[in-house]
Amino acid sequence: SQQGEEDPQALSIQEGENATMNCSYKTSINNLQWYRQNSGRGLVHLILIRSNEREKHSGRLRVTLDTSKKSSSLLITASRAADTASYFCATELGGTYKYIFGTGTRLKVLA
Amino acid sequence: DVKVTQSSRYLVKRTGEKVFLECVQDMDHENMFWYRQDPGLGLRLIYFSYDVKMKEKGDIPEGYSVSREKKERFSLILESASTNQTSMYLCAINLAGSTDTQYFGPGTRLTVL
Repeated sequence: SQQGEEDPQALSIQEGENATMNCSYKTSINNLQWYRQNSGRGLVHLILIRSNEREKHSGRLRVTLDTSKKSSSLLITASRAADTASYFCATELGGTYKYIFGTGTRLKVLA
Repeated sequence: DVKVTQSSRYLVKRTGEKVFLECVQDMDHENMFWYRQDPGLGLRLIYFSYDVKMKEKGDIPEGYSVSREKKERFSLILESASTNQTSMYLCAINLAGSTDTQYFGPGTRLTVL
């Protein structure tokens, strides 16, 4: 499997509910980032968590990082229809400037 | 705001044609990247450049070349397009010395017939 695998592949929830997506990776990292992609568009950076951090918040977003399990989770609270998009995690491989992206979680928020 | 533009949103070419995809940034960032995105495979790095005339191969460089003659412009070239190069192509940039945020262009959806 690839570095940066997201789980689940697809998620459908009602507006107002929380959405949780998970990412697993294989190698040591400097940081892990989450991006959002609306259909047919480029990716937009959401949040970055460094390898020495365990949790980070930004608005309705909460990211956790467990380096011992090589995993991260993205929680979107009180979801809105506008949150409908694909979400990707990306890991940067130790100073190489190479980012490894996962295959993404497709989130659908129903109004 | 960082602005990354790509020359076309949609492009249709024929097998064997030479194809140029251009990426332009307005932030004087050193690092520029080309990815392709395919369903079920996520984003895969084709090439990146950390300075003018400098380039490094990514994970899938075969069938592609790049050109960076000016800092703000990074071109992806398909010397002889093939149907298996039908894909979404995404350009991204970030600051030299930074392994933080990447800023993406809107993407070019290329179809090779």
